[in-house]
Formats: sequence, structure tokens, C-alpha cells
Amino acid sequence: DGGITQSPKYLFRKEGQNVTLSCEQNLNHDAMYWYRQDPGQGLRLIYYSQIVNDFQKGDIAEGYSVSREKKESFPLTVTSAQKNPTAFYLCASSIDGGTSGDRAKNIQYFGAGTRLSVL
Amino acid sequence: GQQLNQSPQSMFIQEGEDVSMNCTSSSIFNTWLWYKQDPGEGPVLLIALYKAGELTSNGRLTAQFGITRKDSFLNISASIPSDVGIYFCAGQGYGNKLVFGAGTILRVKS
Repeated sequence: DGGITQSPKYLFRKEGQNVTLSCEQNLNHDAMYWYRQDPGQGLRLIYYSQIVNDFQKGDIAEGYSVSREKKESFPLTVTSAQKNPTAFYLCASSIDGGTSGDRAKNIQYFGAGTRLSVL
Repeated sequence: GQQLNQSPQSMFIQEGEDVSMNCTSSSIFNTWLWYKQDPGEGPVLLIALYKAGELTSNGRLTAQFGITRKDSFLNISASIPSDVGIYFCAGQGYGNKLVFGAGTILRVKS
């Protein structure tokens, strides 16, 4: 099955701990994204990557870090510097990151999310 | 970051009713997207709009890209119980970044 897989579904973080959320896609998409969702708010962009070995900060990158060593994987680390990490985290991917000019290739498709809570 | 104004914030539906929701922005977008999210899941794409004035249907769903390129609406006709969920609009300018509305929560009248 082609798709975007996020794991784990639920994650708990202790005080001062870094945790890593996994996102894997087998769609052969170049671009991948991480969003944070809080109740009653739209999705907010944390980081995005248009191509392997490259990533850019989104609107709320502080306290988070990412890597993009493989095309199919874009893990997100929530560091201890993120003081309010409790949220629903969504990973998305698109065929390309806006480089082709074909807007249909920019459509973002989402994984099922990871809910992070603080112990 | 920028957000879209999506309304209504929530609404109750009775089976068989038609539903309307809309998004407005102070900025122009080149693409409008509508997603639906079920509880505990990721958003699923419903409709993509690429041209000002475009009207597109997907089953009982119809969406339009506003002429000014600053708004879009989504209609659901003859609603059914499985229509409940959160509906998000998203606008895309040049490049790949999306701006999301805060969502419209659809609930069932009891």
C-alpha cells in the first residue's frame, strides 16, 4: 500500500526529554512537511523539506529539529527546549515542493498523525 | 503566521440538510484546497481548485474558487451522518507553503 506512515500513534514525553516522531512515505514524493495542530486552530508549519538533504524552518520551528537523509523519511525531534509540546503532529508529503510549476504536484497528502503528551 | 478566516466555526446538521462553509483571506492565492479530518486522523483531501471562478464537484461536495482569488466556499448537499468531522480550507500562493483556516466542526443534531 502506498502512503504516509507516522509512528508512534501516541507518545509521552518526560520533563527535559527529547522525543522523535517518525514519518515515512513510499509515494516517491520529493517534498515532506511537519505540522502542529492544537484544538480550535489550523495547522501550523514546523519544518519542510523540498528535497533530500535540505530543509527549511516553517512558522513555529523553535524547539524542534528535523533531518532528511533519505527521500522516504523525515523524522521530527521535539527537544526539551519546546516548553509546550502537547499537540497532534501531522506529517505530509507532495510530489514536488513547488519547483515544477505544476500546482497539482504541490498538493499535500497527510499521514494519520502522532499525539504527543507530556507526563 | 498568516491564517485564513473560516466560518462558521461549528455547525450542527440534520441528516438531509445542505451545508455551506467558507474561507476568506486578505491575500491572493493561486490554489484553494478543502480537506476533511476525522477525530484522531490526518486530513484527507476533498477538492482542489486551481483557477479563479472554478466550480468543482466531488459527489455531494461542491467548492468554488472566488473570483477575487481571496475566498472559497464548500457546499455539502443532502448531508449524511458520516459527514461529521472537521473541514479545513487551505490556500497556496507561489511555492509550496499552505495557509490553513481554523476549521469548521460539523456535528449531528440529536
